[in-house]
Amino acid sequence: EAGVVQSPRYKIIEKKQPVAFWCNPISGHNTLYWYLQNLGQGPELLIRYENEEAVDDSQLPKDRFSAERLKGVDSTLKIQPAELGDSAVYLCASSLRDRKPNYGYTFGSGTRLTVV
Amino acid sequence: SQQGEEDPQALSIQEGENATMNCSYKTSINNLQWYRQNSGRGLVHLILIRSNEREKHSGRLRVTLDTSKKSSSLLITASRAADTASYFCATDAKDYGQNFVFGPGTRLSVLP
Repeated sequence: EAGVVQSPRYKIIEKKQPVAFWCNPISGHNTLYWYLQNLGQGPELLIRYENEEAVDDSQLPKDRFSAERLKGVDSTLKIQPAELGDSAVYLCASSLRDRKPNYGYTFGSGTRLTVV
Repeated sequence: SQQGEEDPQALSIQEGENATMNCSYKTSINNLQWYRQNSGRGLVHLILIRSNEREKHSGRLRVTLDTSKKSSSLLITASRAADTASYFCATDAKDYGQNFVFGPGTRLSVLP
């Protein structure tokens, strides 16, 4: 089966420009996550979707970040306008979520964003 | 602050040796996971251990969990150069909305 697919793989933009990342989770996975990973650090959750509903977006900087998951399948994360400090890797992950998870998340390869 | 912290931050060993990484966390958890991340790639799930379990094995991996000390360890036996990667523990707890929270990771280098 195909894994979690993210695009683009790399993105370089100038500050104040908009940028969007796309994620296609594993087929049938109802839960989708967007994480931010700074160099040398662990991933930090930005937003979690259960189907098409954003159930936890408490860590999403809503002044410039937005996300959507139309039809509960693929998802888009947008930054507008981008700042220098947004340079990081943006990871998407998916899972089959229930009250007793038996296995972990499946991550995509991420999008490495560089803001210049 | 992050729920989990791995120790050491970096570890360098010779091929064939065992590698041990530790994870400490702050609040009671339901589950703890270990992930591996190769440079420039996404994270790969290695193993999940529940709060009522004390030890789990998967191939050359052995994970222990001590809830009284709020700590876990990941042991990689007979390490190989291909084990070179960063290893992260992730914990879920009620205080974190049942999301898994990742530590900063241990960077393991296995020298041939």
